[in-house]
Amino acid sequence: AQSVTQLDSQVPVFEEAPVELRCNYSSSVSVYLFWYVQYPNQGLQLLLKYLSGSTLVKGINGFEAEFNKSQTSFHLRKPSVHISDTAEYFCAVSENSNTGKLIFGQGTTLQVKP
Amino acid sequence: GAGVSQTPSNKVTEKGKYVELRCDPISGHTALYWYRQSLGQGPEFLIYFQGTGAADDSGLPNDRFFAVRPEGSVSTLKIQRTERGDSAVYLCASSLALFLGGPYSTDTQYFGPGTRLTVL
Repeated sequence: AQSVTQLDSQVPVFEEAPVELRCNYSSSVSVYLFWYVQYPNQGLQLLLKYLSGSTLVKGINGFEAEFNKSQTSFHLRKPSVHISDTAEYFCAVSENSNTGKLIFGQGTTLQVKP
Repeated sequence: GAGVSQTPSNKVTEKGKYVELRCDPISGHTALYWYRQSLGQGPEFLIYFQGTGAADDSGLPNDRFFAVRPEGSVSTLKIQRTERGDSAVYLCASSLALFLGGPYSTDTQYFGPGTRLTVL
């Protein structure tokens, strides 16, 4: 069975500092990988996704993530965060199948401090 | 254009009552998903519709939960004999599912704002 582990429940960081949010997954088959963001009182929004090809994926708002098959990881990074990046971030996987259902991690709260 | 909408935004009910939660997907999206998000957790898959049919209902926790999508657009999640453990935010998502019979796993899912269900 698939599972997703987000290693940090909370990540505090100062504004303009770099940040990395960690995500590891387990699956016996090939997967697609996603990062979603949930701003306060808003719905989940896709940041980026890895389907195939280049292992470095660029998303919206300056975020990027790198797929590492050998380490089964898909860590999210941003070189310089803003106060507005404060939100809950979810890593998710989907099997290469005909359903598209997503398996989510527990989420990481990014707290950007001035 | 309009995104995924869900009604009501909040629902408070008493233990043992029946509730219905509604989802309006993005127009033209054939795939529709329901997820449940408990406090401090990530969303958990419940059921997936392709068109009018439930293609995967493996996430429904028990037979008190049921969902329909009779015309392939709006969906209703129905919960009978609600229990306090059903309290959560219920999320709906839709996707275009461009390739009929193809790999929907690659499609972006667009989420609604959720319905917060509280069972007293």
